[in-house]
Amino acid sequence: DSGVTQTPKHLITATGQRVTLRCSPRSGDLSVYWYQQSLDQGLQFLIQYYNGEERAKGNILERFSAQQFPDLHSELNLSSLELGDSALYFCASSVDNNEQFFGPGTRLTVL
Amino acid sequence: TQLLEQSPQFLSIQEGENLTVYCNSSSVFSSLQWYRQEPGEGPVLLVTVVTGGEVKKLKRLTFQFGDARKDSSLHITAAQPGDTGLYLCAGAQYNNDMRFGAGTRLTVKP
Repeated sequence: DSGVTQTPKHLITATGQRVTLRCSPRSGDLSVYWYQQSLDQGLQFLIQYYNGEERAKGNILERFSAQQFPDLHSELNLSSLELGDSALYFCASSVDNNEQFFGPGTRLTVL
Repeated sequence: TQLLEQSPQFLSIQEGENLTVYCNSSSVFSSLQWYRQEPGEGPVLLVTVVTGGEVKKLKRLTFQFGDARKDSSLHITAAQPGDTGLYLCAGAQYNNDMRFGAGTRLTVKP
């Protein structure tokens, strides 16, 4: 158990819909990262937050947005969903930028 | 184009064999991590290397960071079926940017 929690574990929705994925980092970790992993693909970095502020941005679509709240939990919002958005979405947290601890992931299926 | 190139992409070996997988880049990293991921689960951190030329051992796994801090290797001795998984390297750059390689998918057959 990494100490990072993600909810929900599974999510099934339809094209055009909007969903919110939630992540609670390890106690004491200020950084939260979001990644997308499609079937048999590597991890695609989406975005990083540090203590409530956006720190780094990767290949995140304009339809996707994220935020980190004062209690340091983070949410990833995915809107106007397309079939190709079906993937595993991982959250990770870290104290610094050197070591990340990953949550169990949310499996999103868009039908 | 991946910032970090991992090779081989796939590797299938018999139990007891040795193997080495590589992580290469043209960029310099402040640190580099190796993770192992099993299907449907999140990656699990194996090791962090920080100093150029650094070698770290974790039981049958040996990790090396290149002298120039641009590349790394993971050597597994006497592989076991439990070593099966996706091995990912990740490099942290000085601008707080962290990138993952596409991974090496290892299968160890009993």
